[in-house]
Amino acid sequence: KQEVTQIPAALSVPEGENLVLNCSFTDSAIYNLQWFRQDPGKGLTSLLLIQSSQREQTSGRLNASLDKSSGRSTLYIAASQPGDSATYLCAGESGAGSYQLTFGKGTKLSVIP
Amino acid sequence: NAGVTQTPKFQVLKTGQSMTLQCAQDMNHEYMSWYRQDPGMGLRLIHYSVGAGITDQGEVPNGYNVSRSTTEDFPLRLLSAAPSQTSVYFCASSYSYEGDSPLHFGNGTRLTVT
Repeated sequence: KQEVTQIPAALSVPEGENLVLNCSFTDSAIYNLQWFRQDPGKGLTSLLLIQSSQREQTSGRLNASLDKSSGRSTLYIAASQPGDSATYLCAGESGAGSYQLTFGKGTKLSVIP
Repeated sequence: NAGVTQTPKFQVLKTGQSMTLQCAQDMNHEYMSWYRQDPGMGLRLIHYSVGAGITDQGEVPNGYNVSRSTTEDFPLRLLSAAPSQTSVYFCASSYSYEGDSPLHFGNGTRLTVT
């Protein structure tokens, strides 16, 4: 059974810092991977999707990469802002067409002004 | 653009009662799914559908039923509520079931079973 670990569980940084969130899968055969953001009391918002043929995706200050050989993904946030404070979750699909995403438990990020 | 709409936002049930959580999307998405989110457990897939008339079980389907009679709607039925079903329930949809398009979530239904 696929399991996903996100490290660290919580992170507090001063505004303006660059930071990296980590995600690792017990089964490295990840087909598609998504990073999400969840604000308190809200649903999840998809930030970046790395499709099966890709290795990384970028959107604004966010960059996500996937190393399929090790089953590890990182989310890089540049020049962090207080508005980035939220819980960040990664989720992977293990088989083509299965569309059963396995989620990590998230990293709670606090950006201090 | 409403996206994924879930109702109700909050619900309290007594053990043994039944209810239906509603989910509707207006994006003409093929794929719809239900997750539950519990502290320390993360999100777990309950049921999913790859199109009208087609549903399948996820990781934790026991105690729940679904149907997909239209593209837009994907209700989740609790047959006989149990305290273990106290959770936050999320409906999510995607344009494609092949995993190559982003998953859109509703804002959730917080369910308490006493």
